[in-house]
Amino acid sequence: EAGVAQSPRYKIIEKRQSVAFWCNPISGHATLYWYQQILGQGPKLLIQFQNNGVVDDSQLPKDRFSAERLKGVDSTLKIQPAKLEDSAVYLCASSLDRWDNEQFFGPGTRLTVL
Amino acid sequence: QKEVEQNSGPLSVPEGAIASLNCTYSDRGSQSFFWYRQYSGKSPELIMSIYSNGDKEDGRFTAQLNKASQYVSLLIRDSQPSDSATYLCAVNYIRGSYDKVIFGPGTSLSVIP
Repeated sequence: EAGVAQSPRYKIIEKRQSVAFWCNPISGHATLYWYQQILGQGPKLLIQFQNNGVVDDSQLPKDRFSAERLKGVDSTLKIQPAKLEDSAVYLCASSLDRWDNEQFFGPGTRLTVL
Repeated sequence: QKEVEQNSGPLSVPEGAIASLNCTYSDRGSQSFFWYRQYSGKSPELIMSIYSNGDKEDGRFTAQLNKASQYVSLLIRDSQPSDSATYLCAVNYIRGSYDKVIFGPGTSLSVIP
């Protein structure tokens, strides 16, 4: 069984630029999560999808971050414009559904904002 | 504000000893509890899940849950250097149609050969 795929693995941009991350969850997993993990901290949930609907985006900075999962499979997370404090690892995870939420994580995207 | 707390460590144990990792949570509505292991520079990996009070054993790992005390722990028996990693506690609470997963800050474990 293929795991969660993410790309790119690394990205360096300058502040005020835009960036997009892509995630493909495990086949058949209805729930998809995007997390931000700053060095030395636990993952912080940005947004949770159930199929193509948003379950929780309460911690997503909506003035600069957006995410979509149009066909209920893969998802993109965008930052526009980026700030220095957005430097972090962005993790995508999926679970079978929101009630069976053993989560499986992708390798992450390490973002550096200069 | 729902919180999950863990000692940040680092926790150092000698090889072969028992490592004990602790986690407390603030919301009594929490229903599912998970332990993830995260090696430096890697993504979290699920190692244990527990849903009811008591102990759950899987190989060298034992998860313990006490909902009355709002406490969940992970014991690692016969600790090996390869167990050196950060251990993340995650708590999921469900209330009606609303559910949320919150991760703790993690405890860094170092197993000394």
